[in-house]
Amino acid sequence: SAVISQKPSRDICQRGTSLTIQCQVDSQVTMMFWYRQQPGQSLTLIATANQGSEATYESGFVIDKFPISRPNLTFSTLTVSNMSPEDSSIYLCSANQGAGYTFGSGTRLTVV
Amino acid sequence: AQRVTQPEKLLSVFKGAPVELKCNYSYSGSPELFWYVQYSRQRLQLLLRHISRESIKGFTADLNKGETSFHLKKPFAQEEDSAMYYCALSWHSGNTPLVFGKGTRLSVIA
Repeated sequence: SAVISQKPSRDICQRGTSLTIQCQVDSQVTMMFWYRQQPGQSLTLIATANQGSEATYESGFVIDKFPISRPNLTFSTLTVSNMSPEDSSIYLCSANQGAGYTFGSGTRLTVV
Repeated sequence: AQRVTQPEKLLSVFKGAPVELKCNYSYSGSPELFWYVQYSRQRLQLLLRHISRESIKGFTADLNKGETSFHLKKPFAQEEDSAMYYCALSWHSGNTPLVFGKGTRLSVIA
């Protein structure tokens, strides 16, 4: 199955700033998925990213707040914009190459 | 809409005792079901998928379409099984995202 490298692993950011999270997959995948895992909670889907088209966002998530890029079949970024303390969470990317969905190691974001 | 329900937030068992983590789903089609495990400070890992019918680390899970369940079982729990377990569903494997249950924390007591 695909191996995903995600960075940064953690960051502490000032409110009002933005953070871009990167995910690199070791093989080509059609779809990549971005999730948020708030403290003590399960994973919530933010958006689905297909190469060459705009990402599809879930209810409650908007492109202006969470812009996503998918420039090729092995890479994607998620930006958390104009951050507030409520954005403090773990953000994960995921992809499926046929043998099951694999996940990045996560980015633990703290907004102060 | 697709939904995954894990009714137990926390399950504590003694070492050597049988374990069953419950998972029910709602989806009118033919989903693909998964169990993921997250050990402390580690990334989410695939444990089982129903189409492979494997046994991993002694865990098994059978898809029961009549009861729309995919319970995870192990006959003899070990301390290293202590972790967070998530049941997840995909309605078109690979091209659609996983829908996760809320997770069950398994604590195996020595």
